[in-house]
Amino acid sequence: AIQLTQSPSSLSASVGDRVTITCRASQGLSSALAWYQQKPGKAPELLIYDASSLESGVPSRFSGSGSGTDFTLTISSLQPEDFATYYCQQFNSYPHTFGQGTKLEIK
Amino acid sequence: QVQLVQSGAEVKKPGSSVKVSCKASGGTFSSHAINWVRQAPGQGLEWMGGIIPIFGTANYAQKFQGRVTIIADESTSTAYMELSSLRSEDTAVYFCARGYCSSTSCYFPHFFDYWGQGTLVTVSS
Repeated sequence: AIQLTQSPSSLSASVGDRVTITCRASQGLSSALAWYQQKPGKAPELLIYDASSLESGVPSRFSGSGSGTDFTLTISSLQPEDFATYYCQQFNSYPHTFGQGTKLEIK
Repeated sequence: QVQLVQSGAEVKKPGSSVKVSCKASGGTFSSHAINWVRQAPGQGLEWMGGIIPIFGTANYAQKFQGRVTIIADESTSTAYMELSSLRSEDTAVYFCARGYCSSTSCYFPHFFDYWGQGTLVTVSS
């Protein structure tokens, strides 16, 4: 199975900050990577797919980049509602796998 | 608007089975994959398997092979996940999630565009 390693595992930031989360795959994915946001007690929500395509309705401050084995999720200017846990997921090959998550907390 | 509504929380004894349902509305149920993803308390997301209702074919993660069964009822737009031989480590929230795919493309890996609200399954003696 393809392993996804996210870094950092947790991150403290302030409203208005620019933050970047990385996801590294154990083998090449081309662009078959998605990013999700999950808030406590809620289901994950799709943010980005195909590494850099923004899901409809997701604010433009979210962006994704990368291909192959290295990917990033960037939030250009943190808003209060962005404090959550973020997961990457690969869909290059079965089984679908997720990164371990990055918890974004308020500084 | 696509909605996936799951059945309520369950408390089960070790060794028993649990069956969780996921009813879809607002979309074309049969031609999209329905996947099951679980999340143990304080942990990350783990894909268990999925089904393409129009074909009735299910695909399982090796870890759960032999213990999980996923079926779909097209007449009610409902998918089910049954997990047997429950142990304490199966205590988790179980989510259904629709695959962003259509018909035969669902045989290929995909991402998940809509999720159910989650069902807490507690395994305890």
